[in-house]
Amino acid sequence: GEDVEQSLFLSVREGDSSVINCTYTDSSSTYLYWYKQEPGAGLQLLTYIFSNMDMKQDQRLTVLLNKKDKHLSLRIADTQTGDSAIYFCAENPALNFGNEKLTFGTGTRLTIIP
Amino acid sequence: GAVVSQHPSRVICKSGTSVKIECRSLDFQATTMFWYRQFPKQSLMLMATSNEGSKATYEQGVEKDKFLINHASLTLSTLTVTSAHPEDSSFYICSASTGVGNSPLHFGNGTRLTVT
Repeated sequence: GEDVEQSLFLSVREGDSSVINCTYTDSSSTYLYWYKQEPGAGLQLLTYIFSNMDMKQDQRLTVLLNKKDKHLSLRIADTQTGDSAIYFCAENPALNFGNEKLTFGTGTRLTIIP
Repeated sequence: GAVVSQHPSRVICKSGTSVKIECRSLDFQATTMFWYRQFPKQSLMLMATSNEGSKATYEQGVEKDKFLINHASLTLSTLTVTSAHPEDSSFYICSASTGVGNSPLHFGNGTRLTVT
């Protein structure tokens, strides 16, 4: 079955860049996602990337995809205290957005150091 | 953007009672909804896929008679935890899909269930 792995914890100084890494095993993954979860809340979709893309940038967020190594990363530039949360990567083997039976990573808890 | 509303956000119930959680898509029709369970400091575990007008598909190890799912309309799916026990205490999250290749999944804010 599919397996998605992340480091459990990351601490970053305010103003620095955060890089959250994710590895996955399913080579048929077509879409890969990054979600943010604040305490006691649901998941907020941050960004996603299609498997034929290497990089996607959206304001402070940059997603890099190395399909050969099955490695996905999320870079948050100029990290702020409001970025403190758990970040989940997820993969979707479906060919489109319909039927998103996602497999989630373990989540990375990002802590911002003042 | 697509909005998914989940209610209640928090519920405390006594052991042996049943609890219903609602998941609504507010500005789109959801042909498919997904129910997840999240234990403290853990990832999301898919429980079942809810399809409008048909029976839900449960993941391995999830008791369908304990976690009843009803997707009676294109905007509403409900999860009923029957005869709840303390081990059912968890964070339950739903998500909804339009079923077409245009928009990714959006999640509700979750329901914190505590069974005493």
